Amino acid sequence: DARVTQTPRHKVTEMGQEVTMRCQPILGHNTVFWYRQTMMQGLELLAYFRNRAPLDDSGMPKDRFSAEMPDATLATLKIQPSEPRDSAVYFCASGTLIFSDGYTFGSGTRLTVV
Amino acid sequence: RKEVEQDPGPFNVPEGATVAFNCTYSNSASQSFFWYRQDCRKEPKLLMSVYSSGNEDGRFTAQLNRASQYISLLIRDSKLSDSATYLCVVNTEGGTTDSWGKLQFGAGTQVVVTP
Repeated sequence: DARVTQTPRHKVTEMGQEVTMRCQPILGHNTVFWYRQTMMQGLELLAYFRNRAPLDDSGMPKDRFSAEMPDATLATLKIQPSEPRDSAVYFCASGTLIFSDGYTFGSGTRLTVV
Repeated sequence: RKEVEQDPGPFNVPEGATVAFNCTYSNSASQSFFWYRQDCRKEPKLLMSVYSSGNEDGRFTAQLNRASQYISLLIRDSKLSDSATYLCVVNTEGGTTDSWGKLQFGAGTQVVVTP
């Protein structure tokens, strides 16, 4: 089965440090999403790209978060500087415009900011 | 009011029984609906896309009621492996090509199947 690969799986960092999370979408998927999940807020859409172009990043705190797709095989989510409230699981998902396929999620990056 | 609302449960279901639960959405222009399943500390996985006429996949049946703005999921002959959180997912911005990707997740309904 094709998979969305996210790295790292776990990250513990100190407040103020930069964090970069990476995602390799499924080959051929032209839409890539970043979600954040916490117990309190559930799954929140942070940003998404189609054909590498950012379509919407309104869910992302602009002052510290940035999302990019340098090429079709790599999406990155960066937090600088990180804060304890950023602690969450960050999921990347990819898909196409085929409705019945939905989206495929990666295993997530579990981020802890201390 | 949240855009997508679900009963958090838990729904405690004896093995072999049937369980059903709903999800309501606030945007009447929503076009795309899905049910995802999430196991503890795992990523969400697509369970079913929900079609206007309703659809069935084995023991799972999904229905859409546009008039009342809700979708439902029914699980028949529940198995222990059905224990999970079921996430309702709605495209809250209508159905244009560029916007259908903005999906809103409900908080999930927890189902616990007991022996």
